[in-house]
Order: sequence, then structure tokens, then C-alpha cells
Amino acid sequence: AQSVTQLDSQVPVFEEAPVELRCNYSSSVSVYLFWYVQYPNQGLQLLLKYLSGSTLVKGINGFEAEFNKSQTSFHLRKPSVHISDTAEYFCAVSRAQGAQKLVFGQGTRLTINP
Amino acid sequence: DTEVTQTPKHLVMGMTNKKSLKCEQHMGHRAMYWYKQKAKKPPELMFVYSYEKLSINESVPSRFSPECPNSSLLNLHLHALQPEDSALYLCASSQELAGAGAEQYFGPGTRLTVT
Repeated sequence: AQSVTQLDSQVPVFEEAPVELRCNYSSSVSVYLFWYVQYPNQGLQLLLKYLSGSTLVKGINGFEAEFNKSQTSFHLRKPSVHISDTAEYFCAVSRAQGAQKLVFGQGTRLTINP
Repeated sequence: DTEVTQTPKHLVMGMTNKKSLKCEQHMGHRAMYWYKQKAKKPPELMFVYSYEKLSINESVPSRFSPECPNSSLLNLHLHALQPEDSALYLCASSQELAGAGAEQYFGPGTRLTVT
């Protein structure tokens, strides 16, 4: 089975500062990795995904993530955040083979302060 | 069109009521999902349909009954719910159930309150 650990439940950051949201996963088989964002009272929006190939993945809204197989990590980064990035961020994993059941981490609440 | 729509946005129902949640997508996706999300928690998978057939049931109580009338529509029928079933119910769809085409697109959710 797969599992995901998001190491920080809350991350406060000042506007225009860089941010890193940490995600570690556990799996005995090959996986796909995802970061989703959820704004208040909304559904989930895919930020970026790693399926294969280049370990540095670029997504929407200036976010990027790096897949590190040896450290089983998939940390999300943004060089300069905006107030509008305030949201809940979920890291998720699924098996690369077979039915895709997303397993989510507990989420990280990113709060941007002016 | 990369949108998954859900109706209603909000629903308040008593424990003896019967109601339905509706989800629709027009992306030609063949897999559709229902998730339940409690406050400050991640989504939990409930059901998965693939090619209009129930593929995964995560041991959900029978008071929740899914239905997939066609490839674009997914319903969730609710009956005799409990207050602890109050949550945000999210629908998602993906091109396929497995492999690289399985990226899931989520709808905005239905906020359900059981009184």
C-alpha cells in the first residue's frame, strides 16, 4: 500500500518570500505523484504531477516540485508567493500500474501574510 | 471543456430524507469518482466507476448508493443519513482508471449538512 506524509500542517510565509511544502511517500511499487491545491469552499485543482522522466516538474501558478526517489520525497516550491496562494495543499500518490486510487497526505495550510 | 460540475452546491437534509447528489462531465472521461471530505481533512475515496460499472467500493455504508446512468453522469443517492455524514462531497473524473491517463479532475463539491 501507498502512504503520504506531509511534514508541516501549517506554513506561514510573508508575501514575496519563497516557500517549500514538504511531502514524503512510501510505496513498494512505482508511483505517480501529485500536488493539489484547495481554495476555501472549492474543489481540488491539480498543480502539477510526476509520472516519469525529468524529476523537476513545473506546474501552474509558478509552482514546481522535485521527485527524489532515493529520499522518497516530492517537495513543492515557489520562489515568490502571493496573497492569492493562501490555500490548503495536498500531496497525493497512486500506483503507476493498475487502478489509480489517490492516497492523500493530511494537507498543509499555506498562509501568506502581507 | 475541462470542467466537472456538481449540483446542488449546498444541501441540508433530515435523517429520514432521501436526496441525490449529481455530477456531470463532458470531457469524454471513462472513470468517475466520489470522495467525502470532512473539515480540515483530505478527501477519502468512496466509489469508483469505470466504463459505467462500479469498480471500487471502499466499504461505504449502504445508506450511500452510487449510480452511473451514462458515461457523463454520476449520482450519489442518500437515504437515512446520520449527522456524522455531514461533509463536502467531491466528484472527480479521469480519462481512464489506470495509467498515465488517470489524472483526476475535481468538481467544486456539494456541502451536505444532515440535521
